[in-house]
Amino acid sequence: EADIYQTPRYLVIGTGKKITLECSQTMGHDKMYWYQQDPGMELHLIHYSYGVNSTEKGDLSSESTVSRIRTEHFPLTLESARPSHTSQYLCASSANGGLYEQYFGPGTRLTVT
Amino acid sequence: GQNIDQPTEMTATEGAIVQINCTYQTSGFNGLFWYQQHAGEAPTFLSYNVLDGLEEKGRFSSFLSRSKGYSYLLLKELQMKDSASYLCAVRVSNDYKLSFGAGTTVTVRA
Repeated sequence: EADIYQTPRYLVIGTGKKITLECSQTMGHDKMYWYQQDPGMELHLIHYSYGVNSTEKGDLSSESTVSRIRTEHFPLTLESARPSHTSQYLCASSANGGLYEQYFGPGTRLTVT
Repeated sequence: GQNIDQPTEMTATEGAIVQINCTYQTSGFNGLFWYQQHAGEAPTFLSYNVLDGLEEKGRFSSFLSRSKGYSYLLLKELQMKDSASYLCAVRVSNDYKLSFGAGTTVTVRA
């Protein structure tokens, strides 16, 4: 059973606000990921990290930023939210060996008004 | 990036079998994953193939042909709870990231 948590689960916020989406895992996984998914659409990788102090941009350009100061914590920040940021944000981590399969958190559904 | 194609939707009857195909074009291949995602929920890992052949896990089986860039997920004895989106994802060599297809929405009817 994977233990990966995201808060908040739902967020409605006004344009121009700064927001941070939290993601934590208790499995000691080195690798963590942020995906963006619109309803009925595919997952797009926006950021990933293969260890502490290591972050990279994903395949989909995003105005968000991430940090990885601790192994278990991988927050995503939007400095100034816009309606185009409305989406579901999914955090994942992958095992340190074996299949390296990814485990997903429950997601944060963000609405920017 | 990787080109991953899956059918958009499939419908089947409870108790039947459904096969979801996935084709991919990738520069370097290091494994194919299938995930299940119920509406409004996070994806959950179903199966993994890296060598050619069939992997069976209860009612679910997954097949891979690397030379054809082709995989399928077979769902047997369909149940209503199997109604979900099924995502095909590919990992390329020397990396841990996954590229996901758009998913196939399976609807199981009584």
